[in-house]
Amino acid sequence: DAGVIQSPRHEVTEMGQEVTLRCKPISGHDYLFWYRQTMMRGLELLIYFNNNVPIDDSGMPEDRFSAKMPNASFSTLKIQPSEPRDSAVYFCASGASPGQQFFGPGTRLTVL
Amino acid sequence: GEDVEQSLFLSVREGDSSVINCTYTDSSSTYLYWYKQEPGAGLQLLTYIFSNMDMKQDQRLTVLLNKKDKHLSLRIADTQTGDSAIYFCAENGGYNKLIFGAGTRLAVHP
Repeated sequence: DAGVIQSPRHEVTEMGQEVTLRCKPISGHDYLFWYRQTMMRGLELLIYFNNNVPIDDSGMPEDRFSAKMPNASFSTLKIQPSEPRDSAVYFCASGASPGQQFFGPGTRLTVL
Repeated sequence: GEDVEQSLFLSVREGDSSVINCTYTDSSSTYLYWYKQEPGAGLQLLTYIFSNMDMKQDQRLTVLLNKKDKHLSLRIADTQTGDSAIYFCAENGGYNKLIFGAGTRLAVHP
């Protein structure tokens, strides 16, 4: 198995632009998590899905952020409009159980 | 509320043992976890312990759990330069998600 796949690996955009981050979880995993990591705030859980259904989105910073999981093999995290403070590394993780999560390599987002 | 606390830095000499400590608050946590993050990579599950155990050993890794004090530790024997990374403690707190600590950065020097 290729593991969790995230794209793009790096994204540089200008303030106000829409950004879409993509994730392909490991096949057979029922849980999918989106995290954000920064030096200032550490690792933050944004949202997680179970069987493609969003369960807890309390970590989503504001309405500019949205996440979808249209099927078991694909999820997106969208930021519209993006702001410089959204600059971070965004991780997707999947797991057959909530505790044993497999993380992707991350997307490094820079908003200028 | 949920909170997981760790010291931020640890520096050890190559070949020595490293001990990374963690305290958590939710006594209902069924499992407690240690994850490792190497530079430029995502987190990787290192080991975990069931809450009714007080010790788990896996090769060079030893996890100790003191449930009364809500204290978890990770001991790495014969620490190598390849062990340099950030180590995260996490609890599930009875929820279907993990609560991570801030991470302990382990630096191994010759």
